[in-house]
Amino acid sequence: DTAVSQTPKYLVTQMGNDKSIKCEQNLGHDTMYWYKQDSKKFLKIMFSYNNKELIINETVPNRFSPKSPDKAHLNLHINSLELGDSAVYFCASSPPGTANTEAFFGQGTRLTVV
Amino acid sequence: AQKVTQAQTEISVVEKEDVTLDCVYETRDTTYYLFWYKQPPSGELVFLIRRNSFDEQNEISGRYSWNFQKSTSSFNFTITASQVVDSAVYFCALSEYGNYQLIWGAGTKLIIKP
Repeated sequence: DTAVSQTPKYLVTQMGNDKSIKCEQNLGHDTMYWYKQDSKKFLKIMFSYNNKELIINETVPNRFSPKSPDKAHLNLHINSLELGDSAVYFCASSPPGTANTEAFFGQGTRLTVV
Repeated sequence: AQKVTQAQTEISVVEKEDVTLDCVYETRDTTYYLFWYKQPPSGELVFLIRRNSFDEQNEISGRYSWNFQKSTSSFNFTITASQVVDSAVYFCALSEYGNYQLIWGAGTKLIIKP
């Protein structure tokens, strides 16, 4: 029944590794997002896809690559993980039609790089 | 430039008190949308309200109410008769018309003591 689900919920990994976070939404939404929340709770958008097309690509290292195989999925792959990548990553989706609609968030993935 | 300011970093009140969380925004657009989200200790982000810039009516939902004032560029959130379960970080956010990106405030941590 979960509307926006992310896996895994927790991820602990060593520096230099490559990891992926998966996101799926069953709301029929057209737009999906990845946000990063740092240790001070500050939220920053990373990417957004609308109907599988990249529409927002903020200044993030190119080690981060989103992949949207279909409208219901938006995965985040991170190469060569660094200590500074430790954060909570949130996936979200918003209803079709227009921008400016509310976003529904997943539970978050707490990534710890050691 | 778009900006959202939540000047109150942390507020602590005793249960049953009323509490107001402030949000001040900046935008050059005449059409924009304002949002409030709640992040309880469990970590998920929960949508509370969306308001467009042409609707200055105050909104009430149970113990929650929102006061939107364009003259002061503010969109304040009041919890009446606060409860311990209201303890969370509350975020105010802004998006300009046609823009999928949310600009977030830094959040206000609300602590309700029993």
